[in-house]
Amino acid sequence: DTEVTQTPKHLVMGMTNKKSLKCEQHMGHRAMYWYKQKAKKPPELMFVYSYEKLSINESVPSRFSPECPNSSLLNLHLHALQPEDSALYLCASSQVGGRGEKLFFGSGTQLSVL
Amino acid sequence: KNEVEQSPQNLTAQEGEFITINCSYSVGISALHWLQQHPGGGIVSLFMLSSGKKKHGRLIATINIQEKHSSLHITASHPRDSAVYICAVPSSGGGADGLTFGKGTHLIIQP
Repeated sequence: DTEVTQTPKHLVMGMTNKKSLKCEQHMGHRAMYWYKQKAKKPPELMFVYSYEKLSINESVPSRFSPECPNSSLLNLHLHALQPEDSALYLCASSQVGGRGEKLFFGSGTQLSVL
Repeated sequence: KNEVEQSPQNLTAQEGEFITINCSYSVGISALHWLQQHPGGGIVSLFMLSSGKKKHGRLIATINIQEKHSSLHITASHPRDSAVYICAVPSSGGGADGLTFGKGTHLIIQP
């Protein structure tokens, strides 16, 4: 199994809603990543988890809250988002998080904030 | 932080043409990634290379570490090759810090 599975594929939410994005992999990878991608732009790193511990937070607003409950799962909790947060949210994983490792990406969640 | 430059930004070609996409970066790296993204989102890793040349089907990737430059070639291009091709390098730092991406090359192959 070389897949990274993201759910839901599409999400529409209001600015007062609370929702969560889910990412799952069963490749035994110990590093997992959240990226945000605006239309026609490259992905931007948001968070990195290494061995279930948050190792990098790229100055992301607190309305985005990541969680790594176990080595296979990565969640992104959303609360009080703004319309400018509408984007494609991509999850990725790699073996242990060393430099130069191949990243495996999910298909993304297309988020629209109304 | 590593700066990644890709060219061209947009490329339209006819089916069968030989395609070249270029990537240059500013800081020495352990490996460079070529990625493909189709409309609708998901990113697929095409190559990860640290030296020389790799080939997979009609795709060839080369890298020159001394010149900090890599190229992706597509031979006998086909409309299904239409996608955004992204060059990426490890972000600065020693650990699990993900990738720094180029802005991508939007490739359209016309039948």
